[in-house]
Amino acid sequence: NAGVTQTPKFRVLKTGQSMTLLCAQDMNHEYMYWYRQDPGMGLRLIHYSVGEGTTAKGEVPDGYNVSRLKKQNFLLGLESAAPSQTSVYFCASSYAGYGYTFGSGTRLTVV
Amino acid sequence: DQQVKQNSPSLSVQEGRISILNCDYTNSMFDYFLWYKKYPAEGPTFLISISSIKDKNEDGRFTVFLNKSAKHLSLHIVPSQPGDSAVYFCALQGGSEKLVFGKGTKLTVNP
Repeated sequence: NAGVTQTPKFRVLKTGQSMTLLCAQDMNHEYMYWYRQDPGMGLRLIHYSVGEGTTAKGEVPDGYNVSRLKKQNFLLGLESAAPSQTSVYFCASSYAGYGYTFGSGTRLTVV
Repeated sequence: DQQVKQNSPSLSVQEGRISILNCDYTNSMFDYFLWYKKYPAEGPTFLISISSIKDKNEDGRFTVFLNKSAKHLSLHIVPSQPGDSAVYFCALQGGSEKLVFGKGTKLTVNP
């Protein structure tokens, strides 16, 4: 049972480039989340989804877009990467807001 | 304003002694309190939780205490082991689908 899988694990982008981070879960969870973790800042919620086809903004949504076309997948997009988006990104899923399971993270560096 | 505060960025204890990690919160509407543990290069994993109707919950070496009047949550680890060295996040839930995380405390248990 894989749980939550994030792809890719590492990426280096140039300023202005775009990319998509993929999160896949096999637990049939309704809710999925994208967080970023920065030194001294803890985990901050970027966007989340409470079901297929729905998305909502979290604490730090600017510069990111998301899509939840399939229940098991939650995509995080950066349209024009900036150095301030250098971070570790974590995806999580939960059953109705309880029992969060996190992926192992994507380390993104924007130069 | 920060809803969840972990005021100690780091804590160092000797193996076999007690580790006490603290968390303060501002919003009385939180009704479910959790601790997550995070090793480097891994996602956070659930450790222990407590609901607002309780003041203590134990699971082996880990005990979580909740003082609602003081809006204070603590995690006790006894005896501490070198494998407990990690970053610990408190997370609070208040009737919504989202968790609010503290900034984390890095625990180092010295052999």
